[in-house]
Amino acid sequence: SQQGEEDPQALSIQEGENATMNCSYKTSINNLQWYRQNSGRGLVHLILIRSNEREKHSGRLRVTLDTSKKSSSLLITASRAADTASYFCATGIQGAQKLVFGQGTRLTINP
Amino acid sequence: KAGVTQTPRYLIKTRGQQVTLSCSPISGHRSVSWYQQTPGQGLQFLFEYFSETQRNKGNFPGRFSGRQFSNSRSEMNVSTLELGDSALYLCASSLADSFYGYTFGSGTRLTVV
Repeated sequence: SQQGEEDPQALSIQEGENATMNCSYKTSINNLQWYRQNSGRGLVHLILIRSNEREKHSGRLRVTLDTSKKSSSLLITASRAADTASYFCATGIQGAQKLVFGQGTRLTINP
Repeated sequence: KAGVTQTPRYLIKTRGQQVTLSCSPISGHRSVSWYQQTPGQGLQFLFEYFSETQRNKGNFPGRFSGRQFSNSRSEMNVSTLELGDSALYLCASSLADSFYGYTFGSGTRLTVV
């Protein structure tokens, strides 16, 4: 079963716009990680935010984490066609050596 | 540095057969995890190995097994294949555990016919 719930399941925007994806989870975590997947290929690690951090930036990516609400968001600014992919949040669970993934958000950037 | 290498990339097997998938982690990474991805169930954790020991196992039948060698390379085996085993199998390596983040391989696409 999935721990994470991602919202929306699909998102379609124009190139240049910002894209926001949300993730909620259920249990205590060590960290939360975001991954990108293109067309059923491997997962590309985007960013890791630890449970004691509230916000993290990497290039055009901004991730926030609210442990009180058990939720996170991923913001991609100034989107490009190459950002078209599925995005997954994954939680690193305390005491377990594994990631628990959400169902993902399918992002489409229209030229 | 080289990434996580999974072989083969594609595989077609018949029901009832068995299959072995291979994963070579990033040099220096001692943890290797395996995940199954299907359209219906999404990404599901199979098992994790660290220094040749299985530390964690997901909720999969005993037909799914794995092992890790002293050089950290890992293999997973699925016996008595079923149609429902058709999936993308992803391997991930980490220095030690989820605290450090994971690097995933490109996956092995298994089709059972």
